[in-house]
Amino acid sequence: DQQVKQNSPSLSVQEGRISILNCDYTNSMFDYFLWYKKYPAEGPTFLISISSIKDKNEDGRFTVFLNKSAKHLSLHIVPSQPGDSAVYFCAAQSQGGSEKLVFGKGTKLTVNP
Amino acid sequence: NAGVTQTPKFQVLKTGQSMTLQCAQDMNHNSMYWYRQDPGMGLRLIYYSASEGTTDKGEVPNGYNVSRLNKREFSLRLESAAPSQTSVYFCASRISGSYEQYFGPGTRLTVT
Repeated sequence: DQQVKQNSPSLSVQEGRISILNCDYTNSMFDYFLWYKKYPAEGPTFLISISSIKDKNEDGRFTVFLNKSAKHLSLHIVPSQPGDSAVYFCAAQSQGGSEKLVFGKGTKLTVNP
Repeated sequence: NAGVTQTPKFQVLKTGQSMTLQCAQDMNHNSMYWYRQDPGMGLRLIYYSASEGTTDKGEVPNGYNVSRLNKREFSLRLESAAPSQTSVYFCASRISGSYEQYFGPGTRLTVT
């Protein structure tokens, strides 16, 4: 049973445009969400996160939106740059002191010059 | 400050061989994790250690054992490798009170 779903395996956008990566979750106990970015042959690196008490968090070109009622979050990258081409993983953690992050399967973003 | 380091970077094993993947972090983090990444499967948790001396199973623990040697080091052992264990293995660590996990560069393991 997949608790964190990234339904788009890939996304292609033009440089300078907006990239929107989506993530859905099923576990209502999740209270913190993270996005990781992964380049080939490297480990994932933390990008941005959001707590369930917020609906938006912004860091430079990256903004994460959380819609708790829909159990949906999205990562917006504006403007997209070729260096943003990577696999993006959505991850979630539940309240209650759980040590574990649950990851989605990832979305491969390609930003074309 | 090297962060999370993993050795080896690459390894090829024959079915039935054993090996240990090493992981170390120099950030004084309490929690450490082992994941595997397979094409189209995302990152799946194998084992984790919330603190020195404790380990717990994750989503896919079968065929693996772990040792939290000290606060810095967390090793993953394959006792009898199988082709299904061909994967990229990532170690991660986390400080208490934070949700962010910091990942190592990975070990690419092939079992023939």
